[in-house]
Amino acid sequence: DVKVTQSSRYLVKRTGEKVFLECVQDMDHENMFWYRQDPGLGLRLIYFSYDVKMKEKGDIPEGYSVSREKKERFSLILESASTNQTSMYLCASSFGGQGGHEQYFGPGTRLTVT
Amino acid sequence: LAKTTQPISMDSYEGQEVNITCSHNNIATNDYITWYQQFPSQGPRFIIQGYKTKVTNEVASLFIPADRKSSTLSLPRVSLSDTAVYYCLVGDVTNAGKSTFGDGTTLTVKP
Repeated sequence: DVKVTQSSRYLVKRTGEKVFLECVQDMDHENMFWYRQDPGLGLRLIYFSYDVKMKEKGDIPEGYSVSREKKERFSLILESASTNQTSMYLCASSFGGQGGHEQYFGPGTRLTVT
Repeated sequence: LAKTTQPISMDSYEGQEVNITCSHNNIATNDYITWYQQFPSQGPRFIIQGYKTKVTNEVASLFIPADRKSSTLSLPRVSLSDTAVYYCLVGDVTNAGKSTFGDGTTLTVKP
């Protein structure tokens, strides 16, 4: 069974703090993704990585950065958290090539910025 | 990028067949259509994927007409546990970071 784990289910941070969200997958997947999900806005892609140290911006990268130093781990960084980054953050992974759309999602991290 | 449109919500009753349609008028030649299911407080779960015509697995069927401008997810004989949000995802599977999720359809199954 594919397992995608996220470091926290719930997180509360203050405005201006640097926030790290960690994601680990155990299936040797090439692709990893970070999404945010807000009511009425569906799933929006923040960043995508198709290999170690490789990353591409998604639809809403502003205010975020990512790091992928090892194949199994993909980190999302909020350099200076703001209240409009309060959201549910979902990590996913998939194989590369033809398997790119069979994404396996983690349980999500609900981040509240006060 | 293919933009997708789905109904916001649908209601059904236990035992009925449910069809959820996703419109993707500007789908590209290399794009596939994938559907996910999401329960509250969980991440989405892959259901089915297709390129053209019909695909069936143990959970659902996916119908894609010849022009590929829409697709229909069919859930046979739904139960209360099928109450969830259903998303379609359209894009090139070899460039998954450029794919677009629809806004999702909330399916409510009633007894």
